[in-house]
Amino acid sequence: AQSVAQPEDQVNVAEGNPLTVKCTYSVSGNPYLFWYVQYPNRGLQFLLKYITGDNLVKGSYGFEAEFNKSQTSFHLKKPSALVSDSALYFCAVRDPSGAGSYQLTFGKGTKLSVIP
Amino acid sequence: EAGVTQFPSHSVIEKGQTVTLRCDPISGHDNLYWYRRVMGKEIKFLLHFVKESKQDESGMPNNRFLAERTGGTYSTLKVQPAELEDSGVYFCANHITGTGELFFGEGSRLTVL
Repeated sequence: AQSVAQPEDQVNVAEGNPLTVKCTYSVSGNPYLFWYVQYPNRGLQFLLKYITGDNLVKGSYGFEAEFNKSQTSFHLKKPSALVSDSALYFCAVRDPSGAGSYQLTFGKGTKLSVIP
Repeated sequence: EAGVTQFPSHSVIEKGQTVTLRCDPISGHDNLYWYRRVMGKEIKFLLHFVKESKQDESGMPNNRFLAERTGGTYSTLKVQPAELEDSGVYFCANHITGTGELFFGEGSRLTVL
């Protein structure tokens, strides 16, 4: 069975500094990996995904993530944090063998607070 | 194109009562998913509809939960009778054809007192 770990419940970063939100995964075969964000009082929004190809994936709002197969990681990064980036971030994995089903396995989420 | 719409946005009920959550998916999308996040925990898969048929309901916690999708359009998720541990946010989602992405609604927050 697949699993996702987000080791940090909360990440605090000063505005303008780089940010990293960590994610590691466990899945048989090659994973499909996703990051979603939940802003206060809003639903989950897709940020970016890795399916295949370049290990560095660029997504919405200036975010990017790097797929590292040897470390089974998919950390989310942004070079310069904005206060408006403060939100709850979820990493998710999909087992590619699940044909026809887009069932995702999520991590617990990491609360990002960007301090002005 | 309208997104996934869920209501109520927040429901507060007492233990033992019944609640029905509704999801209106993106028009024409056959695949509909329900997920749930209990406070501080992972977002967990509940079930998957293809049109009106339950493709996978392996995530449904117990028989107090009943999901339906009559006519393959909107879906309801009924909890009867509700227990304290059912509190959380219930999300509905469609997948975006050809992208592998799920498009989520804003969720229905359920509080059981």
